[in-house]
Amino acid sequence: DVVLTQTPVSLSVTLGDQASISCRSSQSLEYSDGYTYLEWYLQKPGQSPQLLIYEVSNRFSGVPDRFIGSGSGTDFTLKISRVEPEDLGVYYCFQATHDPPTFGGGTKLELK
Amino acid sequence: EVKLVESGGGLVQPGRSLKLSCAASGFSFNDYWMGWVRQAPGKGLEWIGEINQDSSTINYTPSLKDKFTISRDNAQNTLYLQMSKLGSEDTAIYYCARDDDGYYSWWGQGVMVTVSS
Repeated sequence: DVVLTQTPVSLSVTLGDQASISCRSSQSLEYSDGYTYLEWYLQKPGQSPQLLIYEVSNRFSGVPDRFIGSGSGTDFTLKISRVEPEDLGVYYCFQATHDPPTFGGGTKLELK
Repeated sequence: EVKLVESGGGLVQPGRSLKLSCAASGFSFNDYWMGWVRQAPGKGLEWIGEINQDSSTINYTPSLKDKFTISRDNAQNTLYLQMSKLGSEDTAIYYCARDDDGYYSWWGQGVMVTVSS
């Protein structure tokens, strides 16, 4: 199975700061069709996960443009500029390129 | 409005079986792949498996393939997860989700399954 390693495990920020989360894959996530099926989800406390980013850098409908996904191959990053209170929670990367799909271990974003 | 509502969870004894349901509304259910994801208490997310529109293709994570069965009833707009030989390691919140070309755009609120004697 593909292993996704997220760093850091937890991240303490001040509101208005930028936050950056890394997701490294044990294999390249570029599929044979040329697409890279790497997604980012946010799970707010007590809620279901919600999709933020798909195919590395595409923001899902309604996701603010302060969320920016980037990367290629095995290295991916989610940047959140100007962190707001509603951004707090656990972020997961997820790959759907290789079977079985797998999640990263999660990064908890909390207030300093 | 897209809605996914899981049901059927609860307390179950080790070794027993349980069947979860996910009622879908607000979209054309038979146009989408559907999936199941679980989350053990205080842990991360684990992909269980998914099923295509006409049930001709069902994929599972290998470690659960012999215990769990995914099915769907398009006439009832309902997704199912049949779980057998349950152990304490299966205690988790179980989520159903809609698959939009490889990403899970909509999730249910989840249903808790507790395996304990």
